[in-house]
Amino acid sequence: DTGVSQNPRHKITKRGQNVTFRCDPISEHNRLYWYRQTLGQGPEFLTYFQNEAQLEKSRLLSDRFSAERPKGSFSTLEIQRTEQGDSAMYLCASSLKGAGKGHGYTFGSGTRLTVV
Amino acid sequence: SQQGEEDPQALSIQEGENATMNCSYKTSINNLQWYRQNSGRGLVHLILIRSNEREKHSGRLRVTLDTSKKSSSLLITASRAADTASYFCATDASGNEKLTFGTGTRLTIIP
Repeated sequence: DTGVSQNPRHKITKRGQNVTFRCDPISEHNRLYWYRQTLGQGPEFLTYFQNEAQLEKSRLLSDRFSAERPKGSFSTLEIQRTEQGDSAMYLCASSLKGAGKGHGYTFGSGTRLTVV
Repeated sequence: SQQGEEDPQALSIQEGENATMNCSYKTSINNLQWYRQNSGRGLVHLILIRSNEREKHSGRLRVTLDTSKKSSSLLITASRAADTASYFCATDASGNEKLTFGTGTRLTIIP
């Protein structure tokens, strides 16, 4: 297992376009998290899944944002009608609920989105 | 929203010196974790301390937790150039393992 994989690493899009990011977690991890990080700030929680169920969504996740985790494996985060304020690093992390409490999250390298 | 705030926001020290970073948080917690982030990369888990623990060690890292003051500190001893990174504390307030991150401390080790 090579860890958490995120694609693409970088995405430049024009305002108003839709974008989709993918995250492949560690295979045995049942928890998957999405965070957003802007320059000089800490990661801000967006949403998380346990298996295929989306358990919580942040108020930051407007109706332009949607996340899925079909079959409890990989996850996608889609942003519709992108705005310049959506420019940020989008981070995915996974963990094993309960058994992994001593190990924290495993993060991917992130997808950097630039909206022009 | 950010649960924690790290202090200082930035820290520069000479290689070999010790680095101390502090984290304050607002609500009661189940556990507190520290992560490192190299520029433009994802975060790496360093250490976890539970609410009923006061101190924990891992290699050159020492973490303390004072739940009465809602604060934690991360000490890196004998710093190395490779320790240059941003360090974040993160709290699990609800016990459901969803983390809320602080604002981070940018640590620079001068060779």
